[in-house]
This record gives sequence, C-alpha cells and structure tokens, in this order.
Amino acid sequence: AQSVAQPEDQVNVAEGNPLTVKCTYSVSGNPYLFWYVQYPNRGLQFLLKYITGDNLVKGSYGFEAEFNKSQTSFHLKKPSALVSDSALYFCAVRDMTNFNKFYFGSGTKLNVKP
Amino acid sequence: GAVVSQHPSRVICKSGTSVKIECRSLDFQATTMFWYRQFPKQSLMLMATSNEGSKATYEQGVEKDKFLINHASLTLSTLTVTSAHPEDSSFYICSAYPENAGGRETQYFGPGTRLLVL
Repeated sequence: AQSVAQPEDQVNVAEGNPLTVKCTYSVSGNPYLFWYVQYPNRGLQFLLKYITGDNLVKGSYGFEAEFNKSQTSFHLKKPSALVSDSALYFCAVRDMTNFNKFYFGSGTKLNVKP
Repeated sequence: GAVVSQHPSRVICKSGTSVKIECRSLDFQATTMFWYRQFPKQSLMLMATSNEGSKATYEQGVEKDKFLINHASLTLSTLTVTSAHPEDSSFYICSAYPENAGGRETQYFGPGTRLLVL
C-alpha cells in the first residue's frame, strides 16, 4: 500500500530563515510524489512534483523539494521564508496501481513569524 | 493553468434538507473528478471518484445514497448531500484530472465548499 507521513504537525520559523517541512513515503516501486499548499478556507494549490530525474525539484513560490530514495523522504524546503508562506502543507503520493488515487499526509502547519 | 471552480463557496442549511455542490473544470475537460472531505485540522479524505458518463466509485465507508454524485459532462460534477445532518458539516473539496493526462499529471483542486448544517 502507498502512504506518506508528515511527522510534524507544526513548524515554526522566523522570516528570512530557511524552512524544511518533512515528508516520508512508503510505496512499492518508484513513487510519484507531490507537495500542495492550502490557505485557510481554500482548496489545495500544487507546488511541485517528483516523477523521475533530478532529485532536487524546483516548484512554485521559491519552494523546492529533495527526493531521497535511500531515506524514502521528500522534504519541502525554501532558502528564505516569508510570512506569507504561513499555511498548511500536504505531501501526497500517487497510487501506482490506480493513478486516480492520491494519498495525502496529515498536513503540517507552517508558521513564519516576522 | 488549469482552473477548477466550486459553487457555492459556503452554504448553511437546516437539518433534513439536501444541498448540491457543483465542481467545474473551467479550461480543460476532465473525465475524472474527485470529491474529498476535510475535517478541521485534518487531511483530505477521498470520498468518491466521479467518472463522466458512468457511476461514481465510492470509498469504503462512504454512503452512496447519502452523497449522490453526478458527472453529467466533461466539465461538471455535482455532489448532493441528501437529508443533511449536523455531522455532515465539513469542508468539501473537489479536484479534476485532465482528460488524456498521463500519470505524471497532478490533480487540480477547487477552492472548497464550507457546509454548515444547523
């Protein structure tokens, strides 16, 4: 079965500092991994995805994520956090037997303080 | 980019009434749409997969007679919460998957509908 885990319910970081939001996955075969951001009372916005290729994936709003096969991780990163980055972040993996299904992590609330 | 809309964005209804939520793909055709439910501070729970021209596929534990799904065209899916009760109050999010997209594509999410049943 496919799954992702986000071990941190909340991450606090000061504006201007680098941020990391953690995600680990469990899949059989090569994973298709995604990061989404959700602002209050809004749907999810796509940030980036890893399918194949370079382990470092660059996405929207200056975010990037590093795919690490040996550690089965796909952590979301940004070199310099903005207050406006404060939101709920979800990691997701696509079901490799049923491409229609995505499995979402529990979400991590990012708080960026001025 | 691909845009998905939902209507209404917020609805308040009395217990026992039915509520219809629309999900539209605005600039692409979607053979498949998905309906999720999100409780406060929790992740998204997939409720059902909506397939154009055929019956929806419901996840285990989701009552198909309670949550009626109709995918009448390649750009519109509707979710009707029948005989709503306060426990149905939640945030409902739809997503759409572009027609003919391969496995590398992401789903595109609507802005969500906040349902409050009094």
